[in-house]
Amino acid sequence: AQSVAQPEDQVNVAEGNPLTVKCTYSVSGNPYLFWYVQYPNRGLQFLLKYITGDNLVKGSYGFEAEFNKSQTSFHLKKPSALVSDSALYFCAVRVLYSSASKIIFGSGTRLSIRP
Amino acid sequence: NAGVTQTPKFQVLKTGQSMTLQCAQDMNHEYMSWYRQDPGMGLRLIHYSVGAGITDQGEVPNGYNVSRSTTEDFPLRLLSAAPSQTSVYFCASRPGGGGYTEAFFGQGTRLTVV
Repeated sequence: AQSVAQPEDQVNVAEGNPLTVKCTYSVSGNPYLFWYVQYPNRGLQFLLKYITGDNLVKGSYGFEAEFNKSQTSFHLKKPSALVSDSALYFCAVRVLYSSASKIIFGSGTRLSIRP
Repeated sequence: NAGVTQTPKFQVLKTGQSMTLQCAQDMNHEYMSWYRQDPGMGLRLIHYSVGAGITDQGEVPNGYNVSRSTTEDFPLRLLSAAPSQTSVYFCASRPGGGGYTEAFFGQGTRLTVV
């Protein structure tokens, strides 16, 4: 079955330290991968995506993600965390069903940055 | 540019009542979808539409109906609300059906069924 998984419900990092939020996927065909962020009582906001090309993708707010085809992973990273990065992060992947494409989401990872 | 607008923001329903969650976008996007967000389960796709007049089911369509008479609007109908439908509902739109464009989300509707 086509799916996307975020193995960690919560990630805790001290401000100034690097952070990683993990995502793995299983899809048919070429993977189209996305990261979104959700702040309290808000909708999801797009951070970055991988469609093709360089495996390291840069996005908003200093985030980047590394696509690893052999490990079927798309981990979100940031070199130096800020308290304002605390939020809920979702990985998403395009899946193909007959003639249509859908975007499915992981269960989310809550990122908590302590001062 | 308003983006994706959802109404209402909050709603309390009694079991068995019906209601419609409204979603409108002003970006001329072809693709629109409805998700529900439940703790620990992420976002699950309810229904989606690839253009006016075309809709299809997602992962959890039971208990919900949709229609797409215009490009701008994609309402979600609950015909007979059940407590299991207590959730936060998000509408999203994106430009095309290829799946390579990012989605724009509304602010959500928090629905409680008692």
